[in-house]
Formats: sequence, C-alpha cells, structure tokens
Amino acid sequence: QKEVEQNSGPLSVPEGAIASLNCTYSDRGSQSFFWYRQYSGKSPELIMFIYSNGDKEDGRFTAQLNKASQYVSLLIRDSQPSDSATYLCAVTGTASKLTFGTGTRLQVTL
Amino acid sequence: KAGVTQTPRYLIKTRGQQVTLSCSPISGHRSVSWYQQTPGQGLQFLFEYFSETQRNKGNFPGRFSGRQFSNSRSEMNVSTLELGDSALYLCASSITGSGMGEKLFFGSGTQLSVL
Repeated sequence: QKEVEQNSGPLSVPEGAIASLNCTYSDRGSQSFFWYRQYSGKSPELIMFIYSNGDKEDGRFTAQLNKASQYVSLLIRDSQPSDSATYLCAVTGTASKLTFGTGTRLQVTL
Repeated sequence: KAGVTQTPRYLIKTRGQQVTLSCSPISGHRSVSWYQQTPGQGLQFLFEYFSETQRNKGNFPGRFSGRQFSNSRSEMNVSTLELGDSALYLCASSITGSGMGEKLFFGSGTQLSVL
C-alpha cells in the first residue's frame, strides 16, 4: 500500500463546475496535509494546507480532512481553464517526513 | 524576496559520470529538502538538511548524497550516474523543515538527462 494515494486521472470537468480531488494516506498518525498545484513544466506551488478535521476554505478552494477515514480532499469551485494542472497531495507522517502522492491531473474543458 | 534558486536548469551527462546540483533557499529559511520527480514515480523524497545536518533521508542508494553549508545553501551529488537517474530534481526550502508541518517553497528544478 502506498503511503499517499491519489487517482492519477485525468479528471475532466467543464468550466464553472466543481472539481473534487481525493487523497488517502496510510499513516494514521499523520498531522499535516497539503495540496500543491503543478503546471506542466513548472515546479509545485502550495495552494492549501489543513491540520484539523473538517473544512478549510480559501477563495474557490476548500480542503477537507477526515482523520478517522484517513482521507483528505480538495474542492475547486467555479473551475477555470487556468486550474488545469496536476494536483499533488502531501502528508507529514509520524516519521516527520513529507510524502507526496503521484498527483491527479485535472483538465478543465471549455 | 527572492525565491528558491536552483542551478543549473538543465544538465546532460553520460552513464558513470557524477553530477552536483545546487540550491539556494529563501533568505531566512534553514531547511532544504531534495526531491526526485519522474513521470512514473512522482515526487520521491531524497533527503532534508537543517542547519548543516541531514535530518531525514529517503530510500535512495548511497550514490545520492548531499550537504548544506553555513549559509543554508545546499548541494546534491549523484555519483556513478545511471540511466534511471534521469529526472527533474527539485529543491524546496522552509523555515524549520517539512517534517514540522511547514509549507515548502520549491525551486524551478534541475532537469537531468543521463545518456
């Protein structure tokens, strides 16, 4: 079992729709959770982080964390073509090491 | 505030050679982490340095090594290059470290091609 798992996609959503990106992790003691966005040919950039169970909203982005289910998700409302990128889930586990998932490629279609 | 700077941007080497990559973190950041990114494996953690000490290490062979200087700049070295080492090598900095639940700031990466 991979430490951090994501569906590789591509996830295709129409412009203006909600994109839902999911991530599961295996280390039950994980404490910090991050979403990075990576455009093709570019380096990852942080878009959201969450430490506590529940929802955290920032503009069009909402991160959701459920530690009991070991599940973290990212919702993107009113998706735009500029949101088309690979989204990487990253988790800090009990070994104090940040582990990335392989990413989900999102395509927002016109 | 300047971002994370990685040099060189591109490198082409042949099998058996060695290579050194450089990373200058954001001013005031004392932690530098290195990652290897390939299409099939995603971002794989190599190692993390904080105040000139290696604090954490991933599952890579001993051919991969690194160090950090007193000004927080870091170098990564790969000896006896193999074809499978072809990848994008990313450096990321943070104030106290990725293991502390901190946000990472990535450099543009060094694209290494091994022929």
